Amino acid sequence: EPEVTQTPSHQVTQMGQEVILRCVPISNHLYFYWYRQILGQKVEFLVSFYNNEISEKSEIFDDQFSVERPDGSNFTLKIRSTKLEDSAMYFCASSEYVVGPRAKNIQYFGAGTRLSVL
Amino acid sequence: AQTVTQSQPEMSVQEAETVTLSCTYDTSESDYYLFWYKQPPSRQMILVIRQEAYKQQNATENRFSVNFQKAAKSFSLKISDSQLGDAAMYFCAYRSTSGTYKYIFGTGTRLKVLA
Repeated sequence: EPEVTQTPSHQVTQMGQEVILRCVPISNHLYFYWYRQILGQKVEFLVSFYNNEISEKSEIFDDQFSVERPDGSNFTLKIRSTKLEDSAMYFCASSEYVVGPRAKNIQYFGAGTRLSVL
Repeated sequence: AQTVTQSQPEMSVQEAETVTLSCTYDTSESDYYLFWYKQPPSRQMILVIRQEAYKQQNATENRFSVNFQKAAKSFSLKISDSQLGDAAMYFCAYRSTSGTYKYIFGTGTRLKVLA
């Protein structure tokens, strides 16, 4: 069964450094998402991406964050200058995109990247 | 804005027994989807079951069923004949039928299955 793949599984970085988290969505999916989960807290929506542009972003997704689909398969999340509070599990998800209220558009999730900012 | 609340941080169940995980949500929308996802220790979230708000009938998937109470905004997950492989974190999620289809999650319930 097709899967969403995320790399690396664990990333350790120093505060102020840039990190890029990588995701390979399911090949025929058109909608892509990033979520994050700080330890012990809710899984929070960061950003959604469709047709090579951001379709929605949360308040968390400030100027330090950016997303890109550099080629036909990868979807990346970049944090420009990491802060201690960026330490979290980051999940990528993808879905088909069918318009309409009865559209299922179920999201499939990757296993996550644990980001540790020291 | 929509919110999802899971009030049980952790639950335990004996193997072969039945357990119910609670989820409540708040929304002003009348049409939406609700989901239960399972996150085993390997960390990949897997869809367990889905409920469409316009359907009165509760969804079932093998040993998993939901009790969807739209008026009460309640969406609980029942796991029957619990197995060791059911041990995981379970997340309840809400999704609108419009917009970008982002999910709104609860904090999760960790389910332990005792042999």
